[in-house]
Amino acid sequence: GAGVSQSPSNKVTEKGKDVELRCDPISGHTALYWYRQSLGQGLEFLIYFQGNSAPDKSGLPSDRFSAERTGGSVSTLTIQRTQQEDSAVYLCASSIGMGQPQHFGDGTRLSIL
Amino acid sequence: AQSVTQPDIHITVSEGASLELRCNYSYGATPYLFWYVQSPGQGLQLLLKYFSGDTLVQGIKGFEAEFKRSQSSFNLRKPSVHWSDAAEYFCAVEWGSSNTGKLIFGQGTTLQVKP
Repeated sequence: GAGVSQSPSNKVTEKGKDVELRCDPISGHTALYWYRQSLGQGLEFLIYFQGNSAPDKSGLPSDRFSAERTGGSVSTLTIQRTQQEDSAVYLCASSIGMGQPQHFGDGTRLSIL
Repeated sequence: AQSVTQPDIHITVSEGASLELRCNYSYGATPYLFWYVQSPGQGLQLLLKYFSGDTLVQGIKGFEAEFKRSQSSFNLRKPSVHWSDAAEYFCAVEWGSSNTGKLIFGQGTTLQVKP
């Protein structure tokens, strides 16, 4: 498809397990963003990639969170030793650059039991 | 800290009535302004954007928004609401000084449409 693709769409896991969330941006979009949407906190920025580098990781809530992007395309957000407060919808967005509209995927709904 | 405020958490309007959703942002140079809409279980869809120029911008689905620098506002309007407009609406701001393009979102306004 032509849009941002995220997988899985839903993920249920036990507290303490590691999870990986995947984002496939729109082809040609060099900027990639991860956001988290939760009931208590709304929509929060997590990390920004320009190409394969991440010049802004300021939104990652703890060192249990990490992300990488390879080949200037697919990105993976990894959460280690998941906690119940990690339960949220994780949204990925891509754009052709700063100051340009970001296009969002449908998100991964993560539930920690 | 830079912030975006949507004062109305929930709004109910009758189908065919006009709509205005409010958005205010904290002071900052060169804001880029966006409105997104989110239906249940889906991602955010861009309704419209303001970068510069004409302060009244037109978007998809019959929406428009007006940027008022003096009031730090970017309110979303629609002359006649349709039942399919029921969704959650988010105002978002990118400050040009951020050098990352990250969006700061308001808390969202849930729109309910009465038949």
